[in-house]
Amino acid sequence: QVQLQESGPGLVKPSETLSLTCTVSGASTNFFYWSWIRQPAGKGLEWIGRMYNTGSTDYSPSLKSRMSMSLDTSKNHFSLNLTSVTAADTAVYYCARELAVSGTRALDVWGQGILVTVSS
Amino acid sequence: DIQMTQSPPSLSASVGDRVTITCRASQGISSHLNWYQQKPGKVPKLLIFAASSLQGGVPSRLSGSGSGTDFTLTISRLQPEDFAVYYCQQTYSTPRTFGQGTKVEMK
Repeated sequence: QVQLQESGPGLVKPSETLSLTCTVSGASTNFFYWSWIRQPAGKGLEWIGRMYNTGSTDYSPSLKSRMSMSLDTSKNHFSLNLTSVTAADTAVYYCARELAVSGTRALDVWGQGILVTVSS
Repeated sequence: DIQMTQSPPSLSASVGDRVTITCRASQGISSHLNWYQQKPGKVPKLLIFAASSLQGGVPSRLSGSGSGTDFTLTISRLQPEDFAVYYCQQTYSTPRTFGQGTKVEMK
């Protein structure tokens, strides 16, 4: 059974860097695309980006200048860094696996989510 | 970016009703369309992938259809556990994009 678990600080100060890690169990990070999605309170889902083990990344254009993703296959986890955060970055952050299925791709396994609040 | 527009934003329905949610893409996405369900305080759950394929464990009263730019999610006979927010998502290209969600509420 594949499981994902986000970890990181729940409170980040404005202008600082948000750093989150997603630990994967039951699957190898050598395969699949690994994704981040966020959801501000009471709002919809926003796709942040995804990464493959080759180092290939795709980022949201609105966040691209401030974000980076990395993957550590030896620890079987992947990470998100988002710099220069503001209150607008306050959200529940989810990690998820993007699975290739029936000629398309879908987010089939999600972490429980971690609430990150940007506040001084 | 491909914009995904869901309608309606919310709807009220009763147990046993037939419910239809629409998702429209700003350009053709073939069948690269997924549907997710999210209950309050819970993690989004994949319901349907490739526009019409049911994820394992999802009840058959849910179905998806469409191709190109117009897609629908149908719940044939609404059950109490179906009251939730539903999101469509395109995986035709990056950035992946979600619809704004449709909240299915109890009438």
